[in-house]
Amino acid sequence: QKEVEQNSGPLSVPEGAIASLNCTYSDRGSQSFFWYRQYSGKSPELIMSIYSNGDKEDGRFTAQLNKASQYVSLLIRDSQPSDSATYLCAVNSQWAGNNRKLIWGLGTSLAVNP
Amino acid sequence: EAGVTQFPSHSVIEKGQTVTLRCDPISGHDNLYWYRRVMGKEIKFLLHFVKESKQDESGMPNNRFLAERTGGTYSTLKVQPAELEDSGVYFCASSQGRVSTDTQYFGPGTRLTVL
Repeated sequence: QKEVEQNSGPLSVPEGAIASLNCTYSDRGSQSFFWYRQYSGKSPELIMSIYSNGDKEDGRFTAQLNKASQYVSLLIRDSQPSDSATYLCAVNSQWAGNNRKLIWGLGTSLAVNP
Repeated sequence: EAGVTQFPSHSVIEKGQTVTLRCDPISGHDNLYWYRRVMGKEIKFLLHFVKESKQDESGMPNNRFLAERTGGTYSTLKVQPAELEDSGVYFCASSQGRVSTDTQYFGPGTRLTVL
């Protein structure tokens, strides 16, 4: 079993729709969760971080965390063609110390169609 | 403010040769990380520096890889001798190190091809 799992996609949504990206993780002790966006040939860019159960909203993006189910998701409202990219889920299990090692999923490719 | 920079952007070498990758973190960032993505695989953590000290090098594949961060500024990652399986994109990231929010900012990566 992979430590962090994501559907590879591609996930295709029409412009203006809600895109829902999902991620599960195996380490129940994981404490910190991150969503990065990566355009083709570019470096990963942090979109959202979440540390507590529940929802966290930032503009059109909402991250949802359910530690009991070991599940974290990213919702993108009013999807735009510029949101087309690969979305990477990353998890850290020992954030309280000085351990910042991120464990990554393979990423989900999102295509927003005009 | 300049972001994380990496050099070179691409490197093509033959098996058995040596390659040195360089990373310049964002100024003032004590934490520096190396990651690698092999085609078709997840991004994998290699190691983490806090200033000039290695905080965690659990991801280093073997002793052909040597990372340094003399003076706590830029870092180099040397692969000697390179093998075919070392091909991939090597990312460097840096962060300030605060516990509450510690965003890792990534550089553009170095694409290494070993022939």
